[in-house]
Amino acid sequence: AQSVSQHNHHVILSEAASLELGCNYSYGGTVNLFWYVQYPGQHLQLLLKYFSGDPLVKGIKGFEAEFIKSKFSFNLRKPSVQWSDTAEYFCAVILYSSASKIIFGSGTRLSIRP
Amino acid sequence: DTEVTQTPKHLVMGMTNKKSLKCEQHMGHRAMYWYKQKAKKPPELMFVYSYEKLSINESVPSRFSPECPNSSLLNLHLHALQPEDSALYLCASSQTGTGEEEQYFGPGTRLTVT
Repeated sequence: AQSVSQHNHHVILSEAASLELGCNYSYGGTVNLFWYVQYPGQHLQLLLKYFSGDPLVKGIKGFEAEFIKSKFSFNLRKPSVQWSDTAEYFCAVILYSSASKIIFGSGTRLSIRP
Repeated sequence: DTEVTQTPKHLVMGMTNKKSLKCEQHMGHRAMYWYKQKAKKPPELMFVYSYEKLSINESVPSRFSPECPNSSLLNLHLHALQPEDSALYLCASSQTGTGEEEQYFGPGTRLTVT
């Protein structure tokens, strides 16, 4: 069965540290990839997405992600985190063969120490 | 307007009650979704409506009954729920329901079944 894995369940960083959150998916076909963020008490919102083209995509708030097809990965990065980045981060995949259905990873809780 | 609204914000219901959750969007989107999110877990897809027709039902028990009266509204009718159905219920919408789209999420209804 297709799945999305986020191996870091809880990441704790100090402000200004660099961030990389891992995301791997298991599916051999074409996929569309997303990172969503859920700030405390707020609704899910899109950070960035990859459909095709340049595998390095930039999103909002200084986040970026790199699609590495050979590794089935779509890791999220930010060079310098802020306290306001404290949130739950979800990697998500849509299989090209089942257009509407998003498969979410289990999420990574990011806590930033001020 | 990129907002998906959901009412009520909170709902407490007994196992014999009948209640409904409501979702509304005015972005002209033709695909709408219901997700269930348990604490510290990712959202799980329940239903997808595309052009007001049910296109995906993820084997959801019949005590959950979706309805899409028009392209802006999505309801979830609840009847004879179990305590394990307590969760955050999220509504989302996207332009047409293809894979190359962002889904816009509402804030959710927090449901408690007693």
